[in-house]
Amino acid sequence: GESVGLHLPTLSVQEGDNSIINCAYSNSASDYFIWYKQESGKGPQFIIDIRSNMDKRQGQRVTVLLNKTVKHLSLQIAATQPGDSAVYFCAENMPDSSYKLIFGSGTRLLVRP
Amino acid sequence: EPEVTQTPSHQVTQMGQEVILRCVPISNHLYFYWYRQILGQKVEFLVSFYNNEISEKSEIFDDQFSVERPDGSNFTLKIRSTKLEDSAMYFCASSAFPGIGGQPQHFGDGTRLSIL
Repeated sequence: GESVGLHLPTLSVQEGDNSIINCAYSNSASDYFIWYKQESGKGPQFIIDIRSNMDKRQGQRVTVLLNKTVKHLSLQIAATQPGDSAVYFCAENMPDSSYKLIFGSGTRLLVRP
Repeated sequence: EPEVTQTPSHQVTQMGQEVILRCVPISNHLYFYWYRQILGQKVEFLVSFYNNEISEKSEIFDDQFSVERPDGSNFTLKIRSTKLEDSAMYFCASSAFPGIGGQPQHFGDGTRLSIL
């Protein structure tokens, strides 16, 4: 389940700092969005979701922001920990489909101790 | 916490052979999916399955591919005659009935398929 790629953008943060991971999605008709975390050798793990009728949603240490005007999603991780090191994907879903997800290309988060 | 399980974790097969990848979705989920991830690339949708039939399939999911829910717990992906370019991680996912606006899809840890 490892998404290894020479072209993955990488965000390096100090442990304890906040992280912001950005994603541009492709379809203005998409109405549901999910952030996934993928650790080496694992499948995508659900973090948080948001529907298009919202612009912000908070979970435990994570916040997702949605800007439909510019088709932009962000994931904010508070007080980043070493266990947060992984590849993060946004995914979008369009209505009138079978709820298939369209994944972004991912961002690698590295947490420096 | 309920999870999606996939077997085997790694499958090595000669080109032209048939492979079956197996998945046990979360027990009360109704929608099932297969995705694949070629090394270094995005996760790509292959097929969705609901009520014992395919809901949608991508261009990748050609006549070499098929899915089946042979019993109440398993969901399988069969590739009839494998090609080198089928080498990838294959992920199974499931979701509760989506309703309006979608529901999270939960993924297994994948099967790494290597075609020689």
